[in-house]
Amino acid sequence: QKEVEQNSGPLSVPEGAIASLNCTYSDRVSQSFFWYRQYSGKSPELIMSIYSNGDKEDGRFTAQLNKASQYVSLLIRDSQPSDSATYLCAVINSGYALNFGKGTSLLVTP
Amino acid sequence: DVKVTQSSRYLVKRTGEKVFLECVQDMDHENMFWYRQDPGLGLRLIYFSYDVKMKEKGDIPEGYSVSREKKERFSLILESASTNQTSMYLCASRPGQSSYNEQFFGPGTRLTVL
Repeated sequence: QKEVEQNSGPLSVPEGAIASLNCTYSDRVSQSFFWYRQYSGKSPELIMSIYSNGDKEDGRFTAQLNKASQYVSLLIRDSQPSDSATYLCAVINSGYALNFGKGTSLLVTP
Repeated sequence: DVKVTQSSRYLVKRTGEKVFLECVQDMDHENMFWYRQDPGLGLRLIYFSYDVKMKEKGDIPEGYSVSREKKERFSLILESASTNQTSMYLCASRPGQSSYNEQFFGPGTRLTVL
């Protein structure tokens, strides 16, 4: 079973700080990596995708990928209480279906 | 914008009933998926389909079946609902076969089996 691992949290950060969410994966041939945000009682919403080693920035979000170390991370700058949610890491190895981690719960405190 | 819709947000059924969950996407995506999500267990893939009338088992297909008669519609069927099938059910779709394509979720159906 190809694994995608995330720390379940909760990760608590003060408002305005940088939140750092991490994800490791076991399959070296993984090609594409996605971060989803899920608010309580809602469905996952895609916020970032990354395919190449390095950083990818989109507004307050930065995704980082290191294929040699098999990890992908998501940084949220200037964290807001509205960022409080569960963040799901997803990886696609081959075929059609994404493989999801169990998610990290983020709490941004005012 | 991609639109994935599910027939019900909340559903309550009795043990032994046959249950149909419907999912429709409007972006001509080839791939469609059914997941269930439970606290502590994360998202688990039940079935997926990569073309009309084609289906593949996911990680937890037992107790479920699926139907895809039209490209835009993917149905999940619980032949005889049981209490351990109480869960949040999420449908998703994704275009093509490229691993770079993004996947989009519907709003989910919260199913309670009494």
